[in-house]
Amino acid sequence: NAGVMQNPRHLVRRRGQEARLRCSPMKGHSHVYWYRQLPEEGLKFMVYLQKENIIDESGMPKERFSAEFPKEGPSILRIQQVVRGDSAAYFCASSPPLTEETQYFGPGTRLLVL
Amino acid sequence: GENVEQHPSTLSVQEGDSAVIKCTYSDSASNYFPWYKQELGKRPQLIIDIRSNVGEKKDQRIAVTLNKTAKHFSLHITETQPEDSAVYFCAATYTNPGNQFYFGTGTSLTVIP
Repeated sequence: NAGVMQNPRHLVRRRGQEARLRCSPMKGHSHVYWYRQLPEEGLKFMVYLQKENIIDESGMPKERFSAEFPKEGPSILRIQQVVRGDSAAYFCASSPPLTEETQYFGPGTRLLVL
Repeated sequence: GENVEQHPSTLSVQEGDSAVIKCTYSDSASNYFPWYKQELGKRPQLIIDIRSNVGEKKDQRIAVTLNKTAKHFSLHITETQPEDSAVYFCAATYTNPGNQFYFGTGTSLTVIP
C-alpha cells in the first residue's frame, strides 16, 4: 500500500516564477490537506480538499496561492509569482473518508526561492 | 480556533533515560491528540495518538497521557535510544472529517549515547 506521494521533492524557483506542487493521497483516501513548515517551526494548515471541492482554505494566503484536487489526478498546490518568503517545506497529508482517522503525511516538497 | 503550546523546545537526555514532552490546548472541544516524529528532512510520522475518552495509552516504550480538565497531554518515552533523536510534534483537533490539525511548535529531542 503506497503511502502519500509528493513531487517534486525539491523545487527551486526564481522570484516571480510559478511553483506547482503535487500530492497523490494514499489509496482509498479522499481527504487531502496541505501544510507549510518554515525552517525550525511547526506545521501550519493551509487548505483542506476533497475531490473537486475546496472545503477549508482558511490557512491559505488569499493572493498568489491556489489549490485543487481534480476528479482525476493528484492534488496541486500552486504558488504564483513566488517570493523568498515562500521558501519552506510543503507537506501534503491524507485521511480516509467518513471516519475519525488520523492524517498521514507525504515526504514533502522543499521549495527554495532564489 | 485551537491553540497548542508545546514544551520544551529542546530536550537532551542520556541514552536509557526517560523523556517527557508536554502540550497544552485551548479548545475544550478538541477530542483527538496525535503525536508525530519527524527526523531531519523526512516526513512527520504518527507514533501514537489518544482520544478524549481515554486517559492514557501505551505502545512499548512510548506512552501518552491526557488530562481533559487541565487541557494538557504529554508524551513519555522510556529507555531512550539514539534513534529516538528527532523533532516531536503534538497536535489537537476535533475529529470531524476534514478538520485541520493544530500543531505545537515541536520539541527537538537529542539522545546522547
